[in-house]
Amino acid sequence: ETGVTQSPTHLIKTRGQQVTLRCSSQSGHNTVSWYQQALGQGPQFIFQYYREEENGRGNFPPRFSGLQFPNYSSELNVNALELDDSALYLCASSLGRGGASYNEQFFGPGTRLTVL
Amino acid sequence: AQKITQTQPGMFVQEKEAVTLDCTYDTSDQSYGLFWYKQPSSGEMIFLIYQGSYDEQNATEGRYSLNFQKARKSANLVISASQLGDSAMYFCAMRGPFLFFGTGTRLTVIP
Repeated sequence: ETGVTQSPTHLIKTRGQQVTLRCSSQSGHNTVSWYQQALGQGPQFIFQYYREEENGRGNFPPRFSGLQFPNYSSELNVNALELDDSALYLCASSLGRGGASYNEQFFGPGTRLTVL
Repeated sequence: AQKITQTQPGMFVQEKEAVTLDCTYDTSDQSYGLFWYKQPSSGEMIFLIYQGSYDEQNATEGRYSLNFQKARKSANLVISASQLGDSAMYFCAMRGPFLFFGTGTRLTVIP
């Protein structure tokens, strides 16, 4: 069974640029959630994709967008990068969307983004 | 609205001793779940233990146990027989459509 993988591991961008982060979900999982973890903070929910549709969004501006592909892998795109976007971006996959049922989320190792 | 509070920014424990990491929560939902995750310096979030709001028994997973007190809205993590490899950040989180995390506690195990 393949775990959750993310690429790249590290990334350095300058303010105003655009970035795409990638996540491959665990085998058999159809839901991907993205989180932003600023230094010294807990992860904050960005959005979730279930079967290629956005299934919930946190308090992030529209310049944070995403995609989920038929194989359930996912991308996080951030436009017009700001210094505060510097963070660890975590992807988590699960089987079934959230809500009343318990569905454990399995996390990838994260992508550390630095915006200069 | 959901809220998770972890009041201990940092904790120290002697190797082989037990340690309790505190977590209090607030939610208007009747059905909810609470998780604890470990985050080593590598960054990956590692699932430790889960407690459902209707579970009658406190959850246990090896050296980890969850002291769930529903009336007090607390879900403290107890690590028994601490090991040097337990040094990491620990996050309490609540299950909803997504996971809502606390600010974490940095645990340092002293030889």
